[in-house]
Amino acid sequence: NAGVMQNPRHLVRRRGQEARLRCSPMKGHSHVYWYRQLPEEGLKFMVYLQKENIIDESGMPKERFSAEFPKEGPSILRIQQVVRGDSAAYFCASSRDREENEQFFGPGTRLTVL
Amino acid sequence: AQSVTQLGSHVSVSEGALVLLRCNYSSSVPPYLFWYVQYPNQGLQLLLKYTSAATLVKGINGFEAEFKKSETSFHLTKPSAHMSDAAEYFCAVSSNFGNEKLTFGTGTRLTIIP
Repeated sequence: NAGVMQNPRHLVRRRGQEARLRCSPMKGHSHVYWYRQLPEEGLKFMVYLQKENIIDESGMPKERFSAEFPKEGPSILRIQQVVRGDSAAYFCASSRDREENEQFFGPGTRLTVL
Repeated sequence: AQSVTQLGSHVSVSEGALVLLRCNYSSSVPPYLFWYVQYPNQGLQLLLKYTSAATLVKGINGFEAEFKKSETSFHLTKPSAHMSDAAEYFCAVSSNFGNEKLTFGTGTRLTIIP
């Protein structure tokens, strides 16, 4: 049973380019969460999605960042016009539709903005 | 609003000695509490979780944690440290409403001294 998949594992972008990060949840999981980890810090919540719906985006920056989880295919976190401050590890987690909220994490995408 | 405080960003213990990593939480609703471990350049792995059942929770790799409501604490312990325990440990809290975002502490880096 494959775990949460994220790709790419490493992504290098120049300032002003776009970054697209992909997350495939575990089989049977319909809830996806994105977190960002800045160097030497803990993880910060960004957005929580179910299929075709954004449930909570209270942690998303107001500009340049967007997320989707389409009916078919992986969840996408999109960062437009990246800046150096976007350099971080971005983790995706998924959970089943149940009460205990056990989230399973992917290996992360490490974004470096030059 | 919820928050987590992890006392001690770095903890060093000798191999075979007791491991104690501290976590205090703040929550306006009954919490779910979690401990995750992160090895270098990897994602987070769930060690254990408290979801309002037994207050003493046993996890993987010999770790356990005790939920103390009066002290708003959820400290992580292991009787005898092993070299393979060297990693970053994160305490996290969510509400008990199900499928809620996790709020993480800033992490504790555990070093094992041979």
